[in-house]
Amino acid sequence: RKEVEQDPGPFNVPEGATVAFNCTYSNSASQSFFWYRQDCRKEPKLLMSVYSSGNEDGRFTAQLNRASQYISLLIRDSKLSDSATYLCVVNTGGGSNYKLTFGKGTLLTVNP
Amino acid sequence: NAGVMQNPRHLVRRRGQEARLRCSPVKGHSHVYWYRQLPEEGLKFMVYLQKENIIDESGMPKERFSAEFPKEGPSILRIQQVVRGDSAAYFCASSRTGGYTGELFFGEGSRLTVL
Repeated sequence: RKEVEQDPGPFNVPEGATVAFNCTYSNSASQSFFWYRQDCRKEPKLLMSVYSSGNEDGRFTAQLNRASQYISLLIRDSKLSDSATYLCVVNTGGGSNYKLTFGKGTLLTVNP
Repeated sequence: NAGVMQNPRHLVRRRGQEARLRCSPVKGHSHVYWYRQLPEEGLKFMVYLQKENIIDESGMPKERFSAEFPKEGPSILRIQQVVRGDSAAYFCASSRTGGYTGELFFGEGSRLTVL
């Protein structure tokens, strides 16, 4: 089983659609979880952290299920500018913030 | 406000040659991290450096790979006697605070192709 596994995608959705990304991780000792966004040939950028209680940032909602080792990202009312690759990221380094393992990413294209 | 700058963006080497990848962190950041992205894989941590010190190299291959972050100048990731399996994108990140807090800011990566 891969350390971090994501929906392979790609996802093509119309503007205004709701889209959900799923991710599973294999290391039950993983401490913290994130979603990053990466535009084509650009650097990954932190989108949001994922907390046990679930968290929301505007149109974006992240959920974590530790028992199932599952993370999700929901994007509501999608915009053209949301088109990017979404990376599920897990920290397996105990108290560190840098031992990050990234999923391969899921490509989202939002169409007019 | 320049972000993390990596160069070269693209590098081609023949088997057996050396590759040197450079990373200038965000101004004011003294913590640097290198990640590698193999084809069809996600980024994985390689090494964490603070000025003149290697803090954690647990993700670095034991042979042929080395990294430094001198007092002056950029961080360097050096790969000696490259092999085809070294072909990958190498990303550098930096943070203002140390490796237990703070957000990492990534560069756009250096793509190494070994012929």
